[in-house]
Amino acid sequence: QVQLVQSGAEVKKPGASVKVSCKVSGYTLTELSIHWVRQTPGKGLEWMGGFDPVDGETVYEQKFQGRVNMTEDTSTDTVYMELSSLRSEDTAVYYCATLHYYAPGWIFNFWGQGTLVTVSS
Amino acid sequence: DIQMTQSPSSLSASVGDRVTITCRASQSIINYLNWYQQKPGKAPKLLIYAASSLQSGVPSRFSGSGSGTDFTLTISRLQPEDFATYFCQQSYSAPQWTFGQGTKVEMK
Repeated sequence: QVQLVQSGAEVKKPGASVKVSCKVSGYTLTELSIHWVRQTPGKGLEWMGGFDPVDGETVYEQKFQGRVNMTEDTSTDTVYMELSSLRSEDTAVYYCATLHYYAPGWIFNFWGQGTLVTVSS
Repeated sequence: DIQMTQSPSSLSASVGDRVTITCRASQSIINYLNWYQQKPGKAPKLLIYAASSLQSGVPSRFSGSGSGTDFTLTISRLQPEDFATYFCQQSYSAPQWTFGQGTKVEMK
């Protein structure tokens, strides 16, 4: 069974950056494809990006390109999502989730507990 | 991007009711459609994948149907633990995933 444990809540000022971590247990990171999904009251669930197991590269939703960076540390089985140039609209709960292939498509099967990021001056 | 539109955005129902939620895609996604349940303060939980396949451990009162652009999630007899928000998600345009805006099922 995969478990994803995320870092704690953050409060940031507009223009700052935030880095959220997601530690994997039950599997090693090399066996999984980890993605990030955020949830805002206004826009619901938004996929942000993650590791594409088909191409072997990290892919990002276009609206976050240039502002988001997703990295991983295989020595600690931890994935990181850093979002920069924060604005109030980035206030959201950020989730990491595992992407699995269930024919014919893909599912987000296991989720972290979520990290609340509040952007406020 | 493929847009996913759910209806209604919320509904009120009683225990034992039959509940139906619809999800419409902006283009055909064949059957690449998943449904999730989310309770307050918790992460989403997968209920149904490939439009109609029940995830392991999910009660059989949940069912999904549809293909192309129109999909339905049905709860045959609503139970107290089913009051939650439900989201659809398309996995056709890999690796770009989109979700519906959610349907909140509230107690009447």
